[in-house]
Amino acid sequence: GESVGLHLPTLSVQEGDNSIINCAYSNSASDYFIWYKQESGKGPQFIIDIRSNMDKRQGQRVTVLLNKTVKHLSLQIAATQPGDSAVYFCAEKGGGADGLTFGKGTHLIIQP
Amino acid sequence: DAGITQSPRHKVTETGTPVTLRCHQTENHRYMYWYRQDPGHGLRLIHYSYGVKDTDKGEVSDGYSVSRSKTEDFLLTLESATSSQTSVYFCAITSDREGGYTFGSGTRLTVV
Repeated sequence: GESVGLHLPTLSVQEGDNSIINCAYSNSASDYFIWYKQESGKGPQFIIDIRSNMDKRQGQRVTVLLNKTVKHLSLQIAATQPGDSAVYFCAEKGGGADGLTFGKGTHLIIQP
Repeated sequence: DAGITQSPRHKVTETGTPVTLRCHQTENHRYMYWYRQDPGHGLRLIHYSYGVKDTDKGEVSDGYSVSRSKTEDFLLTLESATSSQTSVYFCAITSDREGGYTFGSGTRLTVV
């Protein structure tokens, strides 16, 4: 079946560097995408979202890019900080589906 | 998370016993969701509600039932718990069906 997935289960970056987390989706009918951050022992926390009529959206230190041609979503985190260590999930919605469909997550590790 | 509370936070129960998890919100949001989170599977939708006494099944609803008699409370019941239902359960709410969700802190359930 169609699903949302992530390319890498773990990403290790140096503190201060930029991080890029990738996500592939296969449901061409999806029209809304969200990135969530989940810290250990906590629920997912909304970071940023984007709708299918946009290619890029920026927030504070974060940017989401959407490439509908290749069904690819990415999250860029600028100047990565220790507090950015977490698991990051992409999620999609659309095509009449009820509820968000989540990818399996990428664990972002910040090296000092 | 502000406005959404899950209880209990942790529970250990025996196989075959009934278990009820509670999600309480103070945001007066119409839409509420129950997800389970397991390693290798990410977050999967169990049941959802679009209003009082209006519920429907999600992707992994077998073995679970829900009730919503008040806007603020969404209950998830395992009628006869099995070891395969050992998981972390998250409740989510939203005022906009086409928008992002706010998640609770989760309930860690262990069935022995």
